[in-house]
Amino acid sequence: SQQGEEDPQALSIQEGENATMNCSYKTSINNLQWYRQNSGRGLVHLILIRSNEREKHSGRLRVTLDTSKKSSSLLITASRAADTASYFCATGTNAGKSTFGDGTTLTVKP
Amino acid sequence: NAGVTQTPKFRVLKTGQSMTLLCAQDMNHEYMYWYRQDPGMGLRLIHYSVGEGTTAKGEVPDGYNVSRLKKQNFLLGLESAAPSQTSVYFCASSQTALYTFGSGTRLTVV
Repeated sequence: SQQGEEDPQALSIQEGENATMNCSYKTSINNLQWYRQNSGRGLVHLILIRSNEREKHSGRLRVTLDTSKKSSSLLITASRAADTASYFCATGTNAGKSTFGDGTTLTVKP
Repeated sequence: NAGVTQTPKFRVLKTGQSMTLLCAQDMNHEYMYWYRQDPGMGLRLIHYSVGEGTTAKGEVPDGYNVSRLKKQNFLLGLESAAPSQTSVYFCASSQTALYTFGSGTRLTVV
């Protein structure tokens, strides 16, 4: 079973709006990563947040981590059509490998 | 820097045929991984390696074998292909928690 589960499965918004995706996980983690996958391509790393961090920013991306609730959120502000993609969270543990969720498919309409 | 290169990009196999997928990375990463991704789903780990000469089973290892004879290469073998192995296969490498992915191999077994 997947460690990370994204919510919602699909999200459709207008260009300029903000997009929020959530990830929940079950066991203790060292870090949590977010990746983007454009259709037919490999995953591209967006941002990593460590278990002792609560919030991290990178450009229009904002990631939060709540270890007490075992959840994370990815916020994309002022979305663009080019942000249309699937977004995956991955949880990293001491075992050295990460477990990926099933992803959120984001569609940004021009 | 090529990053992670997967060959071939596409392949059609008949049931029972065998093939090897090649993954090569030029970043001197210790860790390498093979995932499969089925339509609308996340990544499922097949096998992984924590260093040259080592391999370990992931979540869905049955029907696959791997070898890591050289640090830069990670080979995934299908000894007797089955239609259930129709999928997109992704290779990744990492040195820390950040994964670098290849562009994928689309395999169809008929």
